[in-house]
Amino acid sequence: DAGVIQSPRHEVTEMGQEVTLRCKPISGHDYLFWYRQTMMRGLELLIYFNNNVPIDDSGMPEDRFSAKMPNASFSTLKIQPSEPRDSAVYFCASNHPETGNTIYFGEGSWLTVV
Amino acid sequence: RKEVEQDPGPFNVPEGATVAFNCTYSNSASQSFFWYRQDCRKEPKLLMSVYSSGNEDGRFTAQLNRASQYISLLIRDSKLSDSATYLCVVNDYKLSFGAGTTVTVRA
Repeated sequence: DAGVIQSPRHEVTEMGQEVTLRCKPISGHDYLFWYRQTMMRGLELLIYFNNNVPIDDSGMPEDRFSAKMPNASFSTLKIQPSEPRDSAVYFCASNHPETGNTIYFGEGSWLTVV
Repeated sequence: RKEVEQDPGPFNVPEGATVAFNCTYSNSASQSFFWYRQDCRKEPKLLMSVYSSGNEDGRFTAQLNRASQYISLLIRDSKLSDSATYLCVVNDYKLSFGAGTTVTVRA
Protein backbone atom coordinates (compact mmCIF):
# COMPACT_ATOMS: atom_id res chain seq x y z
CA ASP A 1 0.00 0.00 0.00
CA ALA A 2 1.19 3.50 -0.75
CA GLY A 3 2.04 5.53 2.29
CA VAL A 4 1.53 9.24 2.81
CA ILE A 5 2.86 11.02 -0.24
CA GLN A 6 4.28 14.52 -0.05
CA SER A 7 5.60 16.88 -2.65
CA PRO A 8 7.92 18.54 -3.27
CA ARG A 9 10.55 16.61 -1.33
CA HIS A 10 12.92 19.54 -1.41
CA GLU A 11 12.37 23.19 -2.18
CA VAL A 12 14.63 26.18 -2.05
CA THR A 13 12.92 29.50 -2.51
CA GLU A 14 13.61 33.17 -2.03
CA MET A 15 12.13 35.18 0.79
CA GLY A 16 8.78 36.64 -0.16
CA GLN A 17 7.83 33.87 -2.55
CA GLU A 18 4.77 31.71 -2.13
CA VAL A 19 5.36 28.10 -1.15
CA THR A 20 2.80 25.33 -1.59
CA LEU A 21 3.35 21.93 -0.05
CA ARG A 22 1.15 19.02 -1.03
CA CYS A 23 0.04 15.85 0.67
CA LYS A 24 -1.88 12.74 -0.26
CA PRO A 25 -2.90 10.76 2.83
CA ILE A 26 -3.21 7.02 3.00
CA SER A 27 -6.44 5.95 1.36
CA GLY A 28 -9.22 5.53 3.90
CA HIS A 29 -7.55 7.59 6.60
CA ASP A 30 -9.85 10.34 7.81
CA TYR A 31 -7.40 12.33 9.91
CA LEU A 32 -4.67 14.41 8.32
CA PHE A 33 -1.98 16.30 10.20
CA TRP A 34 0.60 18.89 9.21
CA TYR A 35 3.73 19.05 11.36
CA ARG A 36 6.82 21.23 11.19
CA GLN A 37 10.19 20.07 12.51
CA THR A 38 13.20 22.23 13.30
CA MET A 39 16.26 21.67 15.44
CA MET A 40 15.23 24.44 17.79
CA ARG A 41 11.57 23.59 18.30
CA GLY A 42 11.34 19.91 17.47
CA LEU A 43 8.17 18.49 15.94
CA GLU A 44 5.21 20.89 16.16
CA LEU A 45 1.63 20.23 15.14
CA LEU A 46 0.45 23.01 12.85
CA ILE A 47 -3.08 21.89 11.98
CA TYR A 48 -5.15 18.78 11.64
CA PHE A 49 -8.25 17.82 9.69
CA ASN A 50 -10.94 15.23 10.27
CA ASN A 51 -13.04 14.26 7.28
CA ASN A 52 -11.58 17.22 5.37
CA VAL A 53 -12.65 19.73 8.04
CA PRO A 54 -10.00 21.69 9.95
CA ILE A 55 -10.34 20.81 13.62
CA ASP A 56 -7.46 22.55 15.33
CA ASP A 57 -5.28 25.16 13.67
CA SER A 58 -3.91 26.64 16.87
CA GLY A 59 -0.41 25.59 15.89
CA MET A 60 -0.39 27.62 12.69
CA PRO A 61 2.27 30.23 13.42
CA GLU A 62 0.67 33.23 11.74
CA ASP A 63 -1.55 34.43 8.95
CA ARG A 64 1.12 33.73 6.37
CA PHE A 65 0.31 30.05 6.80
CA SER A 66 -2.86 28.46 5.46
CA ALA A 67 -3.96 24.88 4.90
CA LYS A 68 -6.77 23.34 2.91
CA MET A 69 -8.18 19.91 2.36
CA PRO A 70 -10.56 20.06 -0.61
CA ASN A 71 -11.14 16.30 -0.63
CA ALA A 72 -10.22 13.15 1.22
CA SER A 73 -7.13 12.49 -0.86
CA PHE A 74 -5.43 15.86 -1.01
CA SER A 75 -4.26 18.65 1.24
CA THR A 76 -2.07 21.70 0.82
CA LEU A 77 -0.07 23.85 3.19
CA LYS A 78 0.70 27.28 1.82
CA ILE A 79 3.11 29.92 3.07
CA GLN A 80 2.74 33.37 1.59
CA PRO A 81 5.01 35.29 1.79
CA SER A 82 7.75 32.95 2.91
CA GLU A 83 10.50 34.03 5.32
CA PRO A 84 13.88 32.48 6.19
CA ARG A 85 12.55 31.42 9.62
CA ASP A 86 10.06 29.17 7.83
CA SER A 87 12.93 26.91 6.80
CA ALA A 88 12.12 23.49 8.22
CA VAL A 89 10.95 20.02 7.37
CA TYR A 90 7.19 19.89 6.94
CA PHE A 91 5.61 16.51 7.54
CA CYS A 92 2.16 15.42 6.59
CA ALA A 93 0.70 12.46 8.46
CA SER A 94 -2.56 10.54 8.45
CA ASN A 95 -4.48 8.25 10.73
CA HIS A 96 -7.67 6.27 11.00
CA PRO A 97 -9.24 5.36 14.34
CA GLU A 98 -9.06 1.70 13.38
CA THR A 99 -5.28 1.99 13.44
CA GLY A 100 -5.45 3.20 17.01
CA ASN A 101 -3.32 6.19 17.72
CA THR A 102 -0.65 5.28 15.21
CA ILE A 103 -0.11 8.06 12.76
CA TYR A 104 1.79 7.50 9.56
CA PHE A 105 4.13 10.18 8.33
CA GLY A 106 5.13 11.10 4.82
CA GLU A 107 8.79 11.51 4.00
CA GLY A 108 8.57 15.25 4.53
CA SER A 109 9.10 18.37 2.47
CA TRP A 110 12.47 20.02 3.16
CA LEU A 111 11.99 23.75 2.77
CA THR A 112 14.79 26.29 2.66
CA VAL A 113 13.93 29.97 2.36
CA VAL A 114 16.90 32.17 1.49
CA ARG B 1 6.68 24.14 30.94
CA LYS B 2 6.71 22.05 27.77
CA GLU B 3 4.06 19.36 27.46
CA VAL B 4 6.66 16.67 26.85
CA GLU B 5 10.32 16.88 27.83
CA GLN B 6 13.17 14.56 27.01
CA ASP B 7 16.88 14.42 27.68
CA PRO B 8 18.28 15.18 24.24
CA GLY B 9 21.38 13.05 24.82
CA PRO B 10 23.29 11.99 22.89
CA PHE B 11 23.72 8.60 24.48
CA ASN B 12 26.80 7.00 23.01
CA VAL B 13 26.96 3.30 23.84
CA PRO B 14 28.91 0.28 22.60
CA GLU B 15 27.20 -2.56 20.84
CA GLY B 16 25.63 -4.97 23.28
CA ALA B 17 25.15 -2.37 25.98
CA THR B 18 21.89 -1.46 27.63
CA VAL B 19 20.68 2.11 27.33
CA ALA B 20 17.68 3.69 29.01
CA PHE B 21 16.17 7.13 29.02
CA ASN B 22 13.08 8.89 30.26
CA CYS B 23 10.50 11.37 29.15
CA THR B 24 8.33 13.52 31.42
CA TYR B 25 4.91 14.90 30.59
CA SER B 26 2.96 17.75 32.13
CA ASN B 27 -0.67 16.74 31.73
CA SER B 28 -1.64 14.27 34.42
CA ALA B 29 -4.80 13.43 32.48
CA SER B 30 -2.90 12.12 29.46
CA GLN B 31 -4.19 8.73 28.50
CA SER B 32 -1.90 7.14 26.00
CA PHE B 33 1.80 7.17 25.32
CA PHE B 34 4.12 6.06 22.56
CA TRP B 35 7.69 5.89 21.47
CA TYR B 36 8.48 6.83 17.89
CA ARG B 37 11.81 6.34 16.21
CA GLN B 38 13.27 8.80 13.73
CA ASP B 39 16.33 8.02 11.65
CA CYS B 40 18.51 10.81 10.32
CA ARG B 41 16.71 12.75 7.59
CA LYS B 42 13.74 10.39 7.71
CA GLU B 43 10.19 10.57 8.98
CA PRO B 44 9.17 9.41 12.48
CA LYS B 45 7.80 5.89 12.72
CA LEU B 46 5.98 4.18 15.56
CA LEU B 47 8.30 2.03 17.65
CA MET B 48 5.87 0.92 20.33
CA SER B 49 2.95 1.93 22.46
CA VAL B 50 3.41 2.24 26.21
CA TYR B 51 0.93 0.43 28.40
CA SER B 52 0.23 1.06 32.06
CA SER B 53 1.63 -2.30 33.08
CA GLY B 54 4.77 -1.85 31.01
CA ASN B 55 5.47 -3.79 27.86
CA GLU B 56 8.26 -5.39 25.90
CA ASP B 57 8.88 -5.75 22.21
CA GLY B 58 11.96 -7.82 21.68
CA ARG B 59 14.93 -5.90 23.05
CA PHE B 60 12.82 -2.84 23.82
CA THR B 61 10.99 -2.28 27.10
CA ALA B 62 8.68 0.63 27.81
CA GLN B 63 7.45 1.65 31.23
CA LEU B 64 4.90 4.19 32.43
CA ASN B 65 4.97 5.85 35.83
CA ARG B 66 1.79 7.85 36.22
CA ALA B 67 2.55 9.02 39.74
CA SER B 68 5.74 10.73 38.61
CA GLN B 69 4.45 11.44 35.11
CA TYR B 70 7.20 9.88 33.12
CA ILE B 71 7.70 7.12 30.62
CA SER B 72 10.89 5.27 29.91
CA LEU B 73 12.46 3.25 27.14
CA LEU B 74 15.13 0.65 27.67
CA ILE B 75 17.08 -0.97 24.88
CA ARG B 76 18.92 -4.19 25.69
CA ASP B 77 21.78 -5.70 23.71
CA SER B 78 21.92 -2.60 21.55
CA LYS B 79 22.72 -2.94 17.86
CA LEU B 80 24.31 -0.50 15.45
CA SER B 81 20.92 -0.26 13.76
CA ASP B 82 19.39 1.12 16.96
CA SER B 83 21.19 4.42 16.34
CA ALA B 84 18.40 6.93 15.92
CA THR B 85 16.44 9.63 17.69
CA TYR B 86 13.67 8.34 19.92
CA LEU B 87 10.63 10.57 20.27
CA CYS B 88 8.36 10.39 23.25
CA VAL B 89 4.73 11.00 22.33
CA VAL B 90 1.84 11.81 24.65
CA ASN B 91 -1.77 11.75 23.51
CA ASP B 92 -4.09 14.16 25.26
CA TYR B 93 -6.65 14.89 22.50
CA LYS B 94 -3.70 15.50 20.20
CA LEU B 95 -0.31 13.92 19.87
CA SER B 96 2.44 15.95 21.53
CA PHE B 97 5.99 15.02 20.61
CA GLY B 98 9.08 15.43 22.69
CA ALA B 99 12.18 16.85 21.07
CA GLY B 100 13.80 13.43 20.99
CA THR B 101 16.67 11.54 22.59
CA THR B 102 19.55 10.70 20.29
CA VAL B 103 21.17 7.31 20.70
CA THR B 104 24.38 6.34 18.92
CA VAL B 105 25.55 2.76 19.12
CA ARG B 106 29.20 2.28 18.24
CA ALA B 107 31.00 -0.86 17.14
